[in-house]
Parts: sequence; C-alpha cells; structure tokens
Amino acid sequence: GAVVSQHPSWVICKSGTSVKIECRSLDFQATTMFWYRQFPKQSLMLMATSNEGSKATYEQGVEKDKFLINHASLTLSTLTVTSAHPEDSSFYICSARQGYNEKLFFGSGTQLSVL
Amino acid sequence: EDQVTQSPEALRLQEGESSSLNCSYTVSGLRGLFWYRQDPGKGPEFLFTLYSAGEEKEKERLKATLTKKESFLHITAPKPEDSATYLCAVQDPFSGYALNFGKGTSLLVTP
Repeated sequence: GAVVSQHPSWVICKSGTSVKIECRSLDFQATTMFWYRQFPKQSLMLMATSNEGSKATYEQGVEKDKFLINHASLTLSTLTVTSAHPEDSSFYICSARQGYNEKLFFGSGTQLSVL
Repeated sequence: EDQVTQSPEALRLQEGESSSLNCSYTVSGLRGLFWYRQDPGKGPEFLFTLYSAGEEKEKERLKATLTKKESFLHITAPKPEDSATYLCAVQDPFSGYALNFGKGTSLLVTP
C-alpha cells in the first residue's frame, strides 16, 4: 500500500517557539493532503485541507496564522505551528489522497509537547 | 451536519470471544464508510471501505457490514494483537472529501 512518512515523531519545544512538521507521500503523488489533530482519548479532528500549489482551506476555529500549511509539491506538505503555547500540545497527523481514490493514507503522527 | 457515532466507547474481550462494534452515521449522500485501526501513538491504518447497503468485506478475523444507517465491525475469535482503537469515518464533501471520524471504540483483548 501507499506510504506516508511524517517527521518528526515527537518534538518538545519551549513556549513561543515555532515547530515544523513534515509530511511526505513516498510512493505516490498526493493531490490533496489533510492535517488532523488528536487530543488524548479523542477522535481525529480535521484542521485543514491543502492542494498542491494552492492555499490551504482551514476548518472553522483553526487559526490560519498559527498553523501555517505549505503544500509545495505533490509529495510534500508541511505544518508549522507558530509561537506555540502549551494548549497547542497535541498529536498531529497528516494524511494524503492518491489521485481521486477516496481512501486516505495516514502518517505515523507527531506528538508535540510545548513547555 | 454529517455525524458519526460509535459504540461502545470501550470493549474488553477475552481471547476467542467474538463481538461487534457499531458505527451509526447520518450523511447526505454516502460516498463510502471507512474503517480504520489505530494503535497508541500511531496514525490510523486502513481496514475497509463500504459503499452500499448490504456490502460486506472481510480481512482475517474482521468483517465489516453496511446498512443504510449503520455499519458493524464483527471480530471473530479475537487475539490480543487485535487490541487497538477502531475508527469509523465518512467523507465530508464540504472539506475536500476529508474523512469525518467517530470517536472510536477502544478494544482490549485479554489472553
């Protein structure tokens, strides 16, 4: 099956710093990538949808200036958490769709802890 | 608004004790009902997609079925390695067909 690689797996940072999370589709071109956030014992909540070369579309309540998404190529999307605060601590997961196949492939997630 | 409700929230089974997980959905124009497995600290792993009422799919000890209002994930003679959270999802046409997930069922299978 298709593989989505996400790095880093975990990151600890100080409050006020920025953190970048990378998501790559290794063996396919992803027309659309999605970023989710998951709090402990909660389900995945969609943060934003991004298409290659276009601005990301953010879900209601997600601050676009805090969570910067760049989808520069068909195999790479990045999420930058700017000026991170403890409340941004969460598990962030990216996913990608191969062409018009409706199935999503997920990365292994990034656990962000902001001190 | 599309909604996905899963039950039970948690389930504990003895090895070999079969059971079913439920996923109820309300969606305008179903484009697919998805089941994923998620292990702690990992991203979801795809299991099945079901498209129409009456459809069934099987993989090892798992079988997924679909009606017009709900889906069941049947687990036959589970093993401890089946312990995980099982997530059900439908597509959201208003978010680029992203998946809208239920809260999941946390399954623990004890030896």
